[in-house]
Amino acid sequence: DIQMTQSPSTLSASVGDRVTITCRASQSISSWLAWYQQKPGKAPKLLIYKASSLESGIPSRFSGSGSGTEFTLTISSLQPDDLATYYCQQYNSFPRTFGQGTKVEIK
Amino acid sequence: EVQLLESGGGLVQPGGSLRLSCAASGFTFSSYAMSWVRQAPGKGLEWVSGISGSGGSTNYADSVKGRFTFSRDNSKNTLFLQMNSLRAEDTAVYYCAKGTKNLGTYYFDYWGQGTLVTVSS
Repeated sequence: DIQMTQSPSTLSASVGDRVTITCRASQSISSWLAWYQQKPGKAPKLLIYKASSLESGIPSRFSGSGSGTEFTLTISSLQPDDLATYYCQQYNSFPRTFGQGTKVEIK
Repeated sequence: EVQLLESGGGLVQPGGSLRLSCAASGFTFSSYAMSWVRQAPGKGLEWVSGISGSGGSTNYADSVKGRFTFSRDNSKNTLFLQMNSLRAEDTAVYYCAKGTKNLGTYYFDYWGQGTLVTVSS
């Protein structure tokens, strides 16, 4: 199975800050990586697919990069609405696997 | 508008069985793979199982293999997850999620709101 490791587990930042979350795969997954946002009590929501493609309707302050085993999700200017937990997920192979999540808090 | 509505969750004793359903609408159901993803209370997301558009191909997480069966009825746009020999560690919110294509490298573009399964005596 491919293990996905996110860092940090929690981060606290101020409105307007640039925020970066890292996701590492235990083996190469090419660009078959998605990022999801999950707000408290809600279902996950797709943000990014194929490592860097922005899902329709998602604000442009979200961006993704990387390939192979190392990936990043960046929020260019953190907004209060971005309070959530963010998950990476590989879809290179079965079983699909998620990172453990990064909780983003607003200072 | 894509909609996914899960049902069938509830309280069940260890060793018991439960059948979850997910009713889909707003897209050509048989053209897309689907999955179940669960989330234990306060924990992260765990993929449980996937099924191809035709229903002819299924995959399972090791944690549920041999106990859970994923099926679909394309005439009724409905998914089913038959869960047997349930354990306390199966307690979670179960989400159905729509894949972005029929097979292969698909991610999840729509999710239901989830149904809670609690395994406890």
